[in-house]
Amino acid sequence: GAVVSQHPSRVICKSGTSVKIECRSLDFQATTMFWYRQFPKKSLMLMATSNEGSKATYEQGVEKDKFLINHASLTLSTLTVTSAHPEDSSFYICSASRGTDLNSEAFFGQGTRLTVV
Amino acid sequence: AQKITQTQPGMFVQEKEAVTLDCTYDTSDQSYGLFWYKQPSSGEMIFLIYQGSYDEQNATEGRYSLNFQKARKSANLVISASQLGDSAMYFCAMREAQSNFGNEKLTFGTGTRLTIIP
Repeated sequence: GAVVSQHPSRVICKSGTSVKIECRSLDFQATTMFWYRQFPKKSLMLMATSNEGSKATYEQGVEKDKFLINHASLTLSTLTVTSAHPEDSSFYICSASRGTDLNSEAFFGQGTRLTVV
Repeated sequence: AQKITQTQPGMFVQEKEAVTLDCTYDTSDQSYGLFWYKQPSSGEMIFLIYQGSYDEQNATEGRYSLNFQKARKSANLVISASQLGDSAMYFCAMREAQSNFGNEKLTFGTGTRLTIIP
């Protein structure tokens, strides 16, 4: 069964509103989670690294104020897309690993398909 | 420079045949890990196989095997006896040991869309 759960799987929102996406590790604690964005038929692009109890680390070109990340507990990270615009429409997916070794499998959430209208 | 390169945007393979999906990587680290993931149309990412940079044997997992050629920096995925359910996007990814913090991010290639023909 899934070890990382992401919710919601699909969301449609109006332009200008904010959307929160949750990523939960179900049976392990994750001090670090990763948020990716995927455009249609494209690869996964890392947006940010979510660190429990501290600020997220954003990749170059990703707006911190646009994509708010909160990692308040060892099993939950949230991504909030603020003041969403149609260009924010995309597939967002999170991942977490049980361990910190190189060979630790990265478990992915089911992904969230965001459509901004 | 791209860290992970997948040169085949799309491939069509007859059912029951074997298929090789190419992946080359670029790193200056001595210690790194290579992963292959399958992404069906539903969007979920399914882990297939892992190869560590120090592993001497090629990794195998059922019908999946990884042809690891370290000197060439290639980690091709081989799927034997392909099935219709193998139709999906396939991503090669790498994790580098860049710091002491561990749990480093995965860097993905652009993917290969595999279509199995009945």
